[in-house]
This record gives sequence, structure tokens and C-alpha cells, in this order.
Amino acid sequence: DGGITQSPKYLFRKEGQNVTLSCEQNLNHDAMYWYRQDPGQGLRLIYYSQIVNDFQKGDIAEGYSVSREKKESFPLTVTSAQKNPTAFYLCASSIYAESGNTIYFGEGSWLTVV
Amino acid sequence: AQSVTQLDSHVSVSEGTPVLLRCNYSSSYSPSLFWYVQHPNKGLQLLLKYTSAATLVKGINGFEAEFKKSETSFHLTKPSAHMSDAAEYFCVVSDPRDDKIIFGKGTRLHILP
Repeated sequence: DGGITQSPKYLFRKEGQNVTLSCEQNLNHDAMYWYRQDPGQGLRLIYYSQIVNDFQKGDIAEGYSVSREKKESFPLTVTSAQKNPTAFYLCASSIYAESGNTIYFGEGSWLTVV
Repeated sequence: AQSVTQLDSHVSVSEGTPVLLRCNYSSSYSPSLFWYVQHPNKGLQLLLKYTSAATLVKGINGFEAEFKKSETSFHLTKPSAHMSDAAEYFCVVSDPRDDKIIFGKGTRLHILP
């Protein structure tokens, strides 16, 4: 079955540590996205990529970095510069159609600072 | 610029009664509109989408939504609520001319026994 796989499901970060969240898709989608969701709040866009080796900052990119070396993969690194990283992180991908993009989501990853 | 407003942050209904989750949008072009559902600690699942075909769109799990251009609305309905419908619901607008995808802030649906 095609889909989006995020790992790990739960991750703990120590102060000053960088951590990387994995996102892999086998849907052959060109665009991929990272969103952050805080409890009781909506989704905020961190980074997105429309094509391999290219990505753009979203609304809250500070303290995060990404890479897009392969079409299938879009890992997110939460750096020590991100002062409040505890949140639920959602990876997504979308396929372009003339009628508009449809976005599909992974199951999410919980990041907690300890 | 596009925007989407979910008019209720929380909705409570009794099991077996109708569900109405309200969404209004703003777009200078014919938008694509979506509803997603999120259960606790899960990703978002696509319920249904409108892409300028039929204005009444049927989705999964008995949900449907009607696109009303004159009211700039895309409300989500279900005739009879089930306990398993308790979740967060997001209305989403997408402009087919670019890659911008705008999420509403979500509506938490509570089902009362």
C-alpha cells in the first residue's frame, strides 16, 4: 500500500541537542510538507518542497532545517535553536492536479524536550 | 488572498443526531475545498474534497459537504452521529493556481451518549 511513513512516533530531545524526524513517501508525489501542531491548535507550516533539491520556508521555519535529496524523503531536523520544540509534527505530501492539490498526511511524530 | 474560517471551535451533539460543522472561505479564484478528520495522536485523514464538479460532495463514513458559492461556505454534515466520529475536523482551501494550502483552526466534535 502507498503511503507516508513518519518515524519515530515518539522522540525525546535533551536541551541543546539536534534531532531528526524521518518522512518517507512511496506515492510518487512531488511536493512534501512539514507541519507543527500544538495541543488544541491548528497546523502551522514549517517547510515545504515542491521538487528534489529545492525547498522553501513556511511560516515558522526558525530553528528547523530540511533536506530533499530524494523524491521519497523529506527529513526534518529540529535544531537546538528551536527553543520550544515540544509538539506534534506532521509530514505530508501532495500531488498536483489542474483542479488543485490534494494533500495526504503521515501518522505524525511526538517530540518532547526532557 | 485565501482564508478559511471554521465558525465553531467545539461542537457537541448526541449520538444518533445530525452533525453540522461550519466552514466559510475566502478566495479570489475558484478554490478546491477539503475536509480532514484527525483522531487523537493520529495524522489527518481526507474525508472529502470539492474540485468544481458537483456541489454536493459525498465523503467517507457518511459525511458530506455542500459547496455554496453565494454564501462562500463548505459546511460538513452527517445525518446521524456515531461515537467514533468524535475527533478534530479541519476545513482546508487550496488555490489551484499555486501550491498554497490554508488550514482552518479546527473544530472539535464531541459525541454525547
